[in-house]
Amino acid sequence: ETGVTQTPRHLVMGMTNKKSLKCEQHLGHNAMYWYKQSAKKPLELMFVYSLEERVENNSVPSRFSPECPNSSHLFLHLHTLQPEDSALYLCASSPGTSGDSYNEQFFGPGTRLTVL
Amino acid sequence: KNEVEQSPQNLTAQEGEFITINCSYSVGISALHWLQQHPGGGIVSLFMLSSGKKKHGRLIATINIQEKHSSLHITASHPRDSAVYICAVLPELIFGTGTRLQVFP
Repeated sequence: ETGVTQTPRHLVMGMTNKKSLKCEQHLGHNAMYWYKQSAKKPLELMFVYSLEERVENNSVPSRFSPECPNSSHLFLHLHTLQPEDSALYLCASSPGTSGDSYNEQFFGPGTRLTVL
Repeated sequence: KNEVEQSPQNLTAQEGEFITINCSYSVGISALHWLQQHPGGGIVSLFMLSSGKKKHGRLIATINIQEKHSSLHITASHPRDSAVYICAVLPELIFGTGTRLQVFP
């Protein structure tokens, strides 16, 4: 596989469920990102990891918990979500996080999440 | 007022027309990123630029740092160009709401 992959592509869960989203990048990049895209709203940056260390957390509720075990894999663990968390969750990677060319974002196809 | 604004929000065109999409921002930036999002969600990077102009095929992106403005132009538009075009500013990764383009044959 090439590029950035995400699984699952679609997820329906109840508010009491626990689930995880997975992202894998095959580009040899050092930085990975989680974004949320809700209808009619801009993409919102949720988390940034650089060399497996979290470098940014944009005040995301604790019901979203990221994990980056290595520079190729990124997870988003979900628990006790709310219906308003229903959105497209996109993962991206970039070569690094500093310097313009190193910040170029390469996106995965996204996971469409519905919380009932 | 959003820190990154795009115009127009929606755009329809006939095949062959010249298209311009605008992006204005109010924060300091190191670079600006143009992205294309197709139905179904997949996002593709088009350009990353911090000054001047870049061209790739029928796509041209320009940026004026003093005026805090960037434009994306599509020459000889085609129905396959139909997508949402999104600009984002770096380093803070703030995104515009996108411009939905539909090109009809």
